[in-house]
Amino acid sequence: EPEVTQTPSHQVTQMGQEVILRCVPISNHLYFYWYRQILGQKVEFLVSFYNNEISEKSEIFDDQFSVERPDGSNFTLKIRSTKLEDSAMYFCASGRAISGNTIYFGEGSWLTVV
Amino acid sequence: SQQGEEDPQALSIQEGENATMNCSYKTSINNLQWYRQNSGRGLVHLILIRSNEREKHSGRLRVTLDTSKKSSSLLITASRAADTASYFCATDKAGYSSASKIIFGSGTRLSIRP
Repeated sequence: EPEVTQTPSHQVTQMGQEVILRCVPISNHLYFYWYRQILGQKVEFLVSFYNNEISEKSEIFDDQFSVERPDGSNFTLKIRSTKLEDSAMYFCASGRAISGNTIYFGEGSWLTVV
Repeated sequence: SQQGEEDPQALSIQEGENATMNCSYKTSINNLQWYRQNSGRGLVHLILIRSNEREKHSGRLRVTLDTSKKSSSLLITASRAADTASYFCATDKAGYSSASKIIFGSGTRLSIRP
């Protein structure tokens, strides 16, 4: 069964460093998302992406964040200058259609900022 | 806020019993979805119910939706130890036509006692 894959599964980074989290969405999906989950808290929406541009973003998704679909398969989240509070699990998700939009999630990338 | 809120926050039952979790939301929706998350893992899609549907079944899962009360319930029958997880409802907003985000509630932590 097709699935969303994410790399790395876990990354430890120094505060102030740049991090790129990578995702390979399900191949025939057109809609892509990033969510994050701080330990023990709820899953928070960061950004949605369609037709090579951001559709919607939350207030969390400020100037230190960016997304890119550099080729036909990858979807990346870049955090420019990490802060301690960026430590969280980051989930990539993809969906095929708007109507009845089931979104499928990857296993997540656990980011620890020290 | 569109967010769903689950009730109860935590539920502990004996194996074999039924588990019922509830979700309430605030705005009109297109769809409501339920996801499961095992500790430290990704979000697994369980079931989607559209705003014009009232009830849906999938194996041991039964979901109801009452749009007049802006609420949904997830029933897991004949619970098993493997059902131990957090369960989240997620809603998307009516009227959106692009890559609309889904918003998660805070989840119910379900524990099944052997």
